[in-house]
Amino acid sequence: RKEVEQDPGPFNVPEGATVAFNCTYSNSASQSFFWYRQDCRKEPKLLMSVYSSGNEDGRFTAQLNRASQYISLLIRDSKLSDSATYLCVVIPNASGGSYIPTFGRGTSLIVHP
Amino acid sequence: NAGVTQTPKFQVLKTGQSMTLQCAQDMNHNSMYWYRQDPGMGLRLIYYSASEGTTDKGEVPNGYNVSRLNKREFSLRLESAAPSQTSVYFCASRGNPGQESYEQYFGPGTRLTVT
Repeated sequence: RKEVEQDPGPFNVPEGATVAFNCTYSNSASQSFFWYRQDCRKEPKLLMSVYSSGNEDGRFTAQLNRASQYISLLIRDSKLSDSATYLCVVIPNASGGSYIPTFGRGTSLIVHP
Repeated sequence: NAGVTQTPKFQVLKTGQSMTLQCAQDMNHNSMYWYRQDPGMGLRLIYYSASEGTTDKGEVPNGYNVSRLNKREFSLRLESAAPSQTSVYFCASRGNPGQESYEQYFGPGTRLTVT
């Protein structure tokens, strides 16, 4: 089983739709979780951190389910500009301070008019 | 505050040539990373440096060497380039536990083609 798994998509949705992505992780001791956004031929950029209590930033909501070992990203009222690849990142709880982020392969979102 | 910078942005090499990809960050981060990204493969870690003076192998280190020159700079060297090393290379840095910027910040990438 891969350490971090994502459905590659693409998710093809109309403007205004609500779409959700999940990301599963295998290391139960994982400590930190993030969602990144990557536009075509650009570098990944942080979208939001994922906290144990869940967090919301405008149209974006991130949730963590430790029991089932997955994180989710919900996008409400999709915009054309939301079209991108969304990367899930998990950081294990490593001793010695060498925290190595593990990336999922990304989920492609296409928002159409 | 430029964040993470990488040079060059584009490079074409012939098989067997060598080159060094440069990366620098101005955020006083301890940790720095080199990734490669290929279609359908996601980001794969080549090498990382948890602090100045230390480097460790990642998932795909073969064919590469790195140098953590100082806290700011982390370079990636291809001694004898091969077509399989055609890829987009990203450098990243990461803040320290307790710092506000604990997530990774990425440079703009180097697009390398080996013919």
